[in-house]
Amino acid sequence: RKEVEQDPGPFNVPEGATVAFNCTYSNSASQSFFWYRQDCRKEPKLLMSVYSSGNEDGRFTAQLNRASQYISLLIRDSKLSDSATYLCVGNNFNKFYFGSGTKLNVKP
Amino acid sequence: GAVVSQHPSWVICKSGTSVKIECRSLDFQATTMFWYRQFPKQSLMLMATSNEGSKATYEQGVEKDKFLINHASLTLSTLTVTSAHPEDSSFYICSALRQDANYGYTFGSGTRLTVV
Repeated sequence: RKEVEQDPGPFNVPEGATVAFNCTYSNSASQSFFWYRQDCRKEPKLLMSVYSSGNEDGRFTAQLNRASQYISLLIRDSKLSDSATYLCVGNNFNKFYFGSGTKLNVKP
Repeated sequence: GAVVSQHPSWVICKSGTSVKIECRSLDFQATTMFWYRQFPKQSLMLMATSNEGSKATYEQGVEKDKFLINHASLTLSTLTVTSAHPEDSSFYICSALRQDANYGYTFGSGTRLTVV
């Protein structure tokens, strides 16, 4: 079983829509979690860290549910520029494990 | 913010030759760097953890004699793909962990390797 699993999508949404991604992890010892964004043929870039208390950064909200071992990312008021692949990442003793990514297409 | 430079950004080589990829932390010292590989439409897979001044730690299934890692200084790690074959064609990305006041994990820009 993979350390981190997520729905590959694609999620096709219109501009302005709200979209949510979930990601499950198998190692309960995982210490921290992140969402990365990866554009086609580019390196991943950190979008936000994920905390148990939940955290929000503008249109983006991330949450961690340790009891059910999943994390989520909510994007409100989607923009065309949000189109990318979103990678869920778990960290265990400085080893980062990546999900396969969820592809988001925001359409005009 | 922290910057990690990776070179080259793309390379085409013939089967049987070796290719060296460099990963440099430009404004911080990185005792630990990581090498990943990403095949099309797949996730990043950790290949190895590069430790300054000591041997790299390879993930299961990664041949250490084929993917040579050298981390000779606090700002440079290199990955050499030896005797490359077409199946080694992939996107290789390094990352470095910054463990000072600006704790964080930064990726290089990646190297697209094509073996013909």
